[in-house]
Amino acid sequence: DVKVTQSSRYLVKRTGEKVFLECVQDMDHENMFWYRQDPGLGLRLIYFSYDVKMKEKGDIPEGYSVSREKKERFSLILESASTNQTSMYLCASRQAGAGTEAFFGQGTRLTVV
Amino acid sequence: AQSVAQPEDQVNVAEGNPLTVKCTYSVSGNPYLFWYVQYPNRGLQFLLKYITGDNLVKGSYGFEAEFNKSQTSFHLKKPSALVSDSALYFCAVRDPNSGGYQKVTFGTGTKLQVIP
Repeated sequence: DVKVTQSSRYLVKRTGEKVFLECVQDMDHENMFWYRQDPGLGLRLIYFSYDVKMKEKGDIPEGYSVSREKKERFSLILESASTNQTSMYLCASRQAGAGTEAFFGQGTRLTVV
Repeated sequence: AQSVAQPEDQVNVAEGNPLTVKCTYSVSGNPYLFWYVQYPNRGLQFLLKYITGDNLVKGSYGFEAEFNKSQTSFHLKKPSALVSDSALYFCAVRDPNSGGYQKVTFGTGTKLQVIP
């Protein structure tokens, strides 16, 4: 079974802090993604990566950056956390190819106070 | 531009009754369609997908979905609902002809409540 593991289930951070969310997958998938999930808005793509050191902006990249130094690891960085970044963050991975499904981590619920 | 709509925020069904969770989509070409389920405080799990071929797709946990090109729909169904099916369900679409990354667009989700 594919496993996508996010480093934290719950995080509470202060406004202005730099926040790191880590994600690791164990199935050698090329593509990795970060989404945020908010009630009534579904899943919105923040960033994705199709290879090591390669990244593309998604729909809502403002206030976020990412890092992919190794194939199995994809990190989301909030440069200066703000209260409007309080959300559920979901990491996903999938094999390259248009018809492949994604595998998701368990999610990180981030609260910025 | 591609889009997907889940017209119902919540669906209530009695245990043992058939259930349907609706999804309609809009893409310029032939779509790839997916259903995912999310249990409370968990990530999404893949249920089933339509890529090509038979319009009726069978997936995990007894779920199935029917691709209807003329109605641009991909409704999720199950003949007999279980209380354990209560969860949040997401429909997603990808246009394989869109080039580049071939973005996936998710619906806003439908909460399924199965009543004992």
